[in-house]
Amino acid sequence: DQQVKQNSPSLSVQEGRISILNCDYTNSMFDYFLWYKKYPAEGPTFLISISSIKDKNEDGRFTVFLNKSAKHLSLHIVPSQPGDSAVYFCAASTPNQGGKLIFGQGTELSVKP
Amino acid sequence: DTEVTQTPKHLVMGMTNKKSLKCEQHMGHRAMYWYKQKAKKPPELMFVYSYEKLSINESVPSRFSPECPNSSLLNLHLHALQPEDSALYLCASSTRLSGGGVGEQFFGPGTRLTVL
Repeated sequence: DQQVKQNSPSLSVQEGRISILNCDYTNSMFDYFLWYKKYPAEGPTFLISISSIKDKNEDGRFTVFLNKSAKHLSLHIVPSQPGDSAVYFCAASTPNQGGKLIFGQGTELSVKP
Repeated sequence: DTEVTQTPKHLVMGMTNKKSLKCEQHMGHRAMYWYKQKAKKPPELMFVYSYEKLSINESVPSRFSPECPNSSLLNLHLHALQPEDSALYLCASSTRLSGGGVGEQFFGPGTRLTVL
């Protein structure tokens, strides 16, 4: 039972355009959502997070949107840069689960010059 | 210092060997984690330590034995592994476990383990 789903395994975007990465979840008890970026042979790097009491969080070129009624979140990167090419994982947690993160399967973003 | 370090970077071991993976952080984080990641898959949680005590064991086989000697160090002792245990082993740390959302976890670069 996959509680966090990223249905697009890959996404290709032109440099300077917007990248939109999507994530769906099934567990309404999730209270915190995070996005991580991963380059090959490196550990995931934390990008941005959002609490379930908010619907938007912005940090520079990265914005995360949360739609609780649809159980959907998205990461917008604008403008996209070639250095953004990586695998992006969304993750979620529930209260009192001891810090356990549930990860999606990841979306590989390719930003072309 | 805002990083998590892991040693060794690569490890090749036979099925009868005993080896250890090491993880260190100096951010004052009191929660530390071990994850296993296979190619093209998300990280899978193995263990969580909170204030040097094991708080979560995700039904990991006993051939993996975690240890937290102090608040900055986390070890993963390996014994009698199988070839299917070959993976990237990631360590992470965070400021807190829960309450107002889990603290963002900071990951190390991982140890690429190959079991022959």
